[in-house]
Amino acid sequence: AAGVIQSPRHLIKEKRETATLKCYPIPRHDTVYWYQQGPGQDPQFLISFYEKMQSDKGSIPDRFSAQQFSDYHSELNMSSLELGDSALYFCASSSENEQYFGPGTRLTVT
Amino acid sequence: RKEVEQDPGPFNVPEGATVAFNCTYSNSASQSFFWYRQDCRKEPKLLMSVYSSGNEDGRFTAQLNRASQYISLLIRDSKLSDSATYLCAVNVHGGYNKLIFGAGTRLAVHP
Repeated sequence: AAGVIQSPRHLIKEKRETATLKCYPIPRHDTVYWYQQGPGQDPQFLISFYEKMQSDKGSIPDRFSAQQFSDYHSELNMSSLELGDSALYFCASSSENEQYFGPGTRLTVT
Repeated sequence: RKEVEQDPGPFNVPEGATVAFNCTYSNSASQSFFWYRQDCRKEPKLLMSVYSSGNEDGRFTAQLNRASQYISLLIRDSKLSDSATYLCAVNVHGGYNKLIFGAGTRLAVHP
């Protein structure tokens, strides 16, 4: 079965640079969620979109923004990167109650 | 206090053992409950949704106790391949809303 696709899988950036993470949900899933997981931590919710509209917002820094496009894929844009932004970024998608996670993007900020 | 709490473990058990994890949540209005499995540096994988009536999938049984605000996961006949971190997750508002995760419980199954 098709799963959530994320790209890139690994990303290395320097402080103050920008990064764009992409997520392609499972076909026919209309809701996308972004989570951040730091080393040794549990996933923390950032933001979600339902039918291309922002549906919920968590502890997402103002330096980050996201959107969902007409084909339901989503992009997380991160600017003025800081060392503390180094983490795994997961995208999840759902059509009803259950969320399925993509393989994640490992972002390293140096 | 975290909204969702788990015993971090690690639980070290021999193959064939039965092991149980508990998870408590603070918001009594929480709607949906899940167990995820996460291997090192990989994505959380949905193991089971947890229903009020309890549910079973092979060697795995999940229970929900709304009165005491906890969910449990029982693994019978542990396999080496069960070694992972088990995360409980709560969707407070139900539907298309965020999951709040516990910190995870590490399980190590040894021969």
